[in-house]
Amino acid sequence: GQNIDQPTEMTATEGAIVQINCTYQTSGFNGLFWYQQHAGEAPTFLSYNVLDGLEEKGRFSSFLSRSKGYSYLLLKELQMKDSASYLCAVRLLGGFKTIFGAGTRLFVKA
Amino acid sequence: GAVVSQHPSWVICKSGTSVKIECRSLDFQATTMFWYRQFPKQSLMLMATSNEGSKATYEQGVEKDKFLINHASLTLSTLTVTSAHPEDSSFYICSALQPTGSNQPQHFGDGTRLSIL
Repeated sequence: GQNIDQPTEMTATEGAIVQINCTYQTSGFNGLFWYQQHAGEAPTFLSYNVLDGLEEKGRFSSFLSRSKGYSYLLLKELQMKDSASYLCAVRLLGGFKTIFGAGTRLFVKA
Repeated sequence: GAVVSQHPSWVICKSGTSVKIECRSLDFQATTMFWYRQFPKQSLMLMATSNEGSKATYEQGVEKDKFLINHASLTLSTLTVTSAHPEDSSFYICSALQPTGSNQPQHFGDGTRLSIL
């Protein structure tokens, strides 16, 4: 079966750094995506990892360890607008089918 | 960037009505589109993969006759919820892939909030 685990909720302070973890067990792996989703809206793409290591893009970084089935999304200099759900998603082999974790709801407080 | 348009945004209708939702890729051709369903505070549940010119691939537990998918062109896929009932009320989201590699993210439409009375 396919399984993606992430914490349900996290709270952090404006200006701080927060790390959202994701572990996965899937039958095949062809890349891991992070998406941001504000309530009532569609997800928007944040990052993509297919090789081990850290990918940095502005205030957002994503890390992948394929051997451990583990990824994290790092958000720096948190802003109130970063309050949203963050979805970890794994693309499976043999096509473009992508499965999503349940998402981590991040609350940024002043 | 890539844009996916989904229409309508909101639908409120009576039980027994069939509802059609359209998903269009506006600035690229999408041979593959996906349909998801999302309940409040839950993640996206893949319903089916829509392939241009061929039958859709449905996920286990999704009724093919209930959720009809048509992908007649490279820029349009439709989902029809037939004889909708209150339990079909949900947030339906489509996404499309640019056919340029497996590292391409999905581009999502804005979703359709369906409420069946």
